[in-house]
Amino acid sequence: AQSVSQHNHHVILSEAASLELGCNYSYGGTVNLFWYVQYPGQHLQLLLKYFSGDPLVKGIKGFEAEFIKSKFSFNLRKPSVQWSDTAEYFCAVNARSGGYNKLIFGAGTRLAVHP
Amino acid sequence: GAVVSQHPSWVICKSGTSVKIECRSLDFQATTMFWYRQFPKQSLMLMATSNEGSKATYEQGVEKDKFLINHASLTLSTLTVTSAHPEDSSFYICSASGLAGYLDIQYFGAGTRLSVL
Repeated sequence: AQSVSQHNHHVILSEAASLELGCNYSYGGTVNLFWYVQYPGQHLQLLLKYFSGDPLVKGIKGFEAEFIKSKFSFNLRKPSVQWSDTAEYFCAVNARSGGYNKLIFGAGTRLAVHP
Repeated sequence: GAVVSQHPSWVICKSGTSVKIECRSLDFQATTMFWYRQFPKQSLMLMATSNEGSKATYEQGVEKDKFLINHASLTLSTLTVTSAHPEDSSFYICSASGLAGYLDIQYFGAGTRLSVL
């Protein structure tokens, strides 16, 4: 069965620190990979996605992620976080099942950035 | 573009009553809509997938008769929690896909917090 694993449940950083959130997936086929962000009290928003091509993808708000096929990983990075990056981050894999594309989510990582 | 509206945002009901949650795609036609459940401090768990005009596909372990899903139009899907009990209290989130050029991307509603007393 497909699964997504996020290594860190809670991360606390100071402003300007660098961020890397781990994500590994288990799926034998072709994957589409996503990072979603959920700011406090708001809905899930797409941060970035990987479908094919350059394995280093850039998203909104200075975030980027690198797809490493051999490691089944899609880690999220940001060189310098801001207080406004405080949110919960979800990694997801798009798996085709029963004729439909469905998203398998990781457990999420809560990021708290202190000013 | 790609806005998904979910209503209500919070509902409190008595045990044994039914609750309907609406999910609307406001500016695109959603060929597929998804319903998720999120427990506190946990991830989103897919409950069911529905295409407009056809029966929903439920995930293993999700009771079809308890969680009725109707996708009557390309912009509206509803989830009805029938005979709700306290254990059904949760955060329910819908998403929609079908935006031209972005068929594999799901756009999420803000969620509905259901509290069953």
